[in-house]
Amino acid sequence: DAKTTQPPSMDCAEGRAANLPCNHSTISGNEYVYWYRQIHSQGPQYIIHGLKNNETNEMASLIITEDRKSSTLILPHATLRDTAVYYCIVRVGSRNTPLVFGKGTRLSVIA
Amino acid sequence: KAGVTQTPRYLIKTRGQQVTLSCSPISGHRSVSWYQQTPGQGLQFLFEYFSETQRNKGNFPGRFSGRQFSNSRSEMNVSTLELGDSALYLCASSSYQPARIDSNTGELFFGEGSRLTVL
Repeated sequence: DAKTTQPPSMDCAEGRAANLPCNHSTISGNEYVYWYRQIHSQGPQYIIHGLKNNETNEMASLIITEDRKSSTLILPHATLRDTAVYYCIVRVGSRNTPLVFGKGTRLSVIA
Repeated sequence: KAGVTQTPRYLIKTRGQQVTLSCSPISGHRSVSWYQQTPGQGLQFLFEYFSETQRNKGNFPGRFSGRQFSNSRSEMNVSTLELGDSALYLCASSSYQPARIDSNTGELFFGEGSRLTVL
């Protein structure tokens, strides 16, 4: 079973920041938080991952709370192409353990 | 650098037949994983290969099998197809190597998938 809880759906206005929350209250010390997204009928796309510190790349920012029990993925300026299902996954980073996907959050970016 | 390539993209089979799907990982990646995606069960892990050895297996019946070749390319096979095997089969590659104790955190890169329809 997935170790994360995400809202089933969210809407965001185009050009605004999309903030996608994820709860992972049972995360272990050696588990990373990964975010993937899946645009309709395509394979999942890696977005970002983090352990303790906040992370930023060209796609998004990841904010992890100090107790690591929750995190937020931020898409700073959402576009229509960001409409997708977003998956938050916790996983031990140093081993190639399988990704356990939950149901994710369906983000709809609205013009 | 080319991404993960899966073939065929679409195929239709009938019950009882068997199917073989192919995956070419990103150049230099030696770890290949397979996932099944259905509307009812979502994305589920099938198996993972590294250096031609299966390292992990998900909870699927023995009709589902796979292998990896010396060039890291991988195939999966489903025998005696059932209607419920209709799904999107996704392959993912990773630069993960078991013997490396570094900061590799094993992000997976997925292909576009092979969509199998069983009639």
